[in-house]
Amino acid sequence: EVQLVDSGGGLVQPGGSLRLSCAASGFTFSSYAMTWVRQAPGKGLEWVSVISGVGGSTYYADSVKGRFTLSRDNSKNTLYLQMNSLTADDTAVYYCAKGLNYGGDSGLDYWGQGSPVTVSS
Amino acid sequence: EIVMTQSPATLSVSPGERATLSCRASQSVSRNLAWYQQKPGQAPRLLIYGASTRATDIPARFSGSGSGTEFTLTISSLQSEDFAIYYCQQYNNWPPITFGQGTRLEIK
Repeated sequence: EVQLVDSGGGLVQPGGSLRLSCAASGFTFSSYAMTWVRQAPGKGLEWVSVISGVGGSTYYADSVKGRFTLSRDNSKNTLYLQMNSLTADDTAVYYCAKGLNYGGDSGLDYWGQGSPVTVSS
Repeated sequence: EIVMTQSPATLSVSPGERATLSCRASQSVSRNLAWYQQKPGQAPRLLIYGASTRATDIPARFSGSGSGTEFTLTISSLQSEDFAIYYCQQYNNWPPITFGQGTRLEIK
């Protein structure tokens, strides 16, 4: 059974940092692209970042480029999102999601439960 | 960036009836389009990818159609568990991957 477990969210002050993790199981982790999608309170879905299967390619939304870093440890079946210089606009539930293929240009067939991030003083 | 526009914003339909949701892309996305269902407090669930391929374990009452810039999600006979928010997503021209703003399907 495919499982994605998000963790690492919480309350952080503006300008602070946070690292989210997504532990994967039930599939060959290195064979699939992994994505983070966020959802601000009461709002729709916003794509944040994607990393290819082996991790050679990463892409970011303009809203997070230069502040967020996506990485993966295929030996631990874990995805990481390092978030720096956080602002109130980053407040959202962050979901990790598995792509249907290796490259990232696909639908997202499994999602984590979501990790809430609140940026506030 | 490709802008995805969903209509209507809210759709009121009675159980057992058919629901038709639309998604329009600002430029062609070929058939690289997915549909998701999201219920309150839950993560989204993939329904359709490749514009018309049902994801694993998705009931046959859900169907997708379209190509280029115009797409439709049809739910043939609404069940109580189908009332939720539905999002379309394009993955043809990226980054960024973009979502529509969502259609809320509510009980009439």
